[in-house]
Amino acid sequence: GAVVSQHPSWVICKSGTSVKIECRSLDFQATTMFWYRQFPKQSLMLMATSNEGSKATYEQGVEKDKFLINHASLTLSTLTVTSAHPEDSSFYICSAGTSGRESYNEQFFGPGTRLTVL
Amino acid sequence: LAKTTQPISMDSYEGQEVNITCSHNNIATNDYITWYQQFPSQGPRFIIQGYKTKVTNEVASLFIPADRKSSTLSLPRVSLSDTAVYYCLVAPGRRALTFGSGTRLQVQP
Repeated sequence: GAVVSQHPSWVICKSGTSVKIECRSLDFQATTMFWYRQFPKQSLMLMATSNEGSKATYEQGVEKDKFLINHASLTLSTLTVTSAHPEDSSFYICSAGTSGRESYNEQFFGPGTRLTVL
Repeated sequence: LAKTTQPISMDSYEGQEVNITCSHNNIATNDYITWYQQFPSQGPRFIIQGYKTKVTNEVASLFIPADRKSSTLSLPRVSLSDTAVYYCLVAPGRRALTFGSGTRLQVQP
């Protein structure tokens, strides 16, 4: 199947700093990528939809000025957590769907990035 | 998006067949049913997808009745490495997925 990578796999930062997480589709092009957040023992929660060449669409309650998303190419989307605080500590996961039939919805997920804000 | 309901947890033993049923009463005509597996600190992994009847691949089978209001993921002869959280999702093509609570499967030796 298609491969999605994330970098870094884990990051520890000080409160108030910004952290950038990259999501890459390695062997396919993805016009749309999705960013999720997962807290311990909880399910994945969709944060935003990243569209290549246009602004991201954020879910209700997700601050677009805090979680900056850039989808500069068909294989790369980045999520920047600005002025991170301890409550932003979480597991961030991206996904991308393969091209093909519109009715088909097989999404491939990255391995996730563990963010710890001290 | 259609809401799904699955058991919170299940226990099994190695070598047994495990069936996890998911209810999705409000499934729409253009929704597909997809199951994902997630291990701790990893991204979800696609297991199987179907629209109706039965689908089988090398790791699982998916049974979908005619009314499509539920689906059953069948894992044959589970092993310890199948201990994970299993998510059932319904959504139309290439849309963001709404994850429910999932089913935490614990396989005992």
